[in-house]
Amino acid sequence: GIQVEQSPPDLILQEGANSTLRCNFSDSVNNLQWFHQNPWGQLINLFYIPSGTKQNGRLSATTVATERYSLLYISSSQTTDSGVYFCAVVRTSGSRLTFGEGTQLTVNP
Amino acid sequence: DTAVSQTPKYLVTQMGNDKSIKCEQNLGHDTMYWYKQDSKKFLKIMFSYNNKELIINETVPNRFSPKSPDKAHLNLHINSLELGDSAVYFCASRDSSINSPLHFGNGTRLTVT
Repeated sequence: GIQVEQSPPDLILQEGANSTLRCNFSDSVNNLQWFHQNPWGQLINLFYIPSGTKQNGRLSATTVATERYSLLYISSSQTTDSGVYFCAVVRTSGSRLTFGEGTQLTVNP
Repeated sequence: DTAVSQTPKYLVTQMGNDKSIKCEQNLGHDTMYWYKQDSKKFLKIMFSYNNKELIINETVPNRFSPKSPDKAHLNLHINSLELGDSAVYFCASRDSSINSPLHFGNGTRLTVT
């Protein structure tokens, strides 16, 4: 199956700092999503971004499908950004969403 | 509200019992999924149904039996619960006819004692 690797596994920031999370995948995909799992366990859909760049407030994401990676940018981080960020992909020939192991983000006040 | 909803939110039960988790989506999607999130936060697919037909069945003990009475519902029944079944179970859905995102429910935290 497709491999999804996220880095870094853990990240600690001071409030106001910027960060970049990376997702590498091993095969061509037609679906890539970024999720934030908040401290209550909810999976919040941040971006559906199989290719290109999108922005939503302080968050933006870029996927370079030909090079098999995606980046999630968080600017001016806030304590409410804490949680686990997951990248998940669907291989072009498949139908299942395969998750990476996540990046645990902690934003300190 | 349009959403994927699953019940119950929390489920605490003893080993050996049988329990069910229900999932419903009103998004008009044709494909539904069950995912399991273990204590290390890893999310792994268990099952997927498309228009009530099973299309993905990962290596899951046959104590787990999904049931899809219609394309808006995908329930998960678990027989003879074991301690290792404790986890958070997420239901999700999507429209398979287009490249579209998955929408997840809020999860069911199952604790087996």
